[in-house]
Amino acid sequence: EPEVTQTPSHQVTQMGQEVILRCVPISNHLYFYWYRQILGQKVEFLVSFYNNEISEKSEIFDDQFSVERPDGSNFTLKIRSTKLEDSAMYFCASSTVAGTDTQYFGPGTRLTVL
Amino acid sequence: DAKTTQPNSMESNEEEPVHLPCNHSTISGTDYIHWYRQLPSQGPEYVIHGLTSNVNNRMASLAIAEDRKSSTLILHRATLRDAAVYYCIPDSFQKLVFGTGTRLLVSP
Repeated sequence: EPEVTQTPSHQVTQMGQEVILRCVPISNHLYFYWYRQILGQKVEFLVSFYNNEISEKSEIFDDQFSVERPDGSNFTLKIRSTKLEDSAMYFCASSTVAGTDTQYFGPGTRLTVL
Repeated sequence: DAKTTQPNSMESNEEEPVHLPCNHSTISGTDYIHWYRQLPSQGPEYVIHGLTSNVNNRMASLAIAEDRKSSTLILHRATLRDAAVYYCIPDSFQKLVFGTGTRLLVSP
């Protein structure tokens, strides 16, 4: 069964450093998402991406964040200058269409900012 | 976004049915209800979704109240692997808005 994959599974970085989290969505999906979950808290929407542009973003997704689909398979989330409060699990998801369609989530990347 | 209310936690014994309720009284008439779950240390996983009538799939059943202000996810025979946090999520175009969900504990 097709699945969303994410790398790395765990990333440790120093505050102020840039990190890139990578995701490979399911191949025939057209919509891509990033969510995050701070330890012990809710899963929070960050951004959705369609047709090579952001279609919706949350208040969390400020200028420090960016997303890109650099080729036909990868979908990346970049955090330019990490803060301690960016420490969280980051989940990538994809779906064939938006709205009512099922979103398939990856296993997540645990980001630890020291 | 429509607001949902779910119990914080529920307990079940293995192989017994489980009914997980959700109130979504502010849902609009065209919004689907989605249920996802999150097993420990994993990403969320789709369970089922529906609009008005009851729905069944290999994982669960979804019973939606006639006035659509509430729904119930039914696991017909809980297994240890069903221990997870279950979220009911009304449609919100382009994104899933997760609440705190219901933590289901399953005892052998």
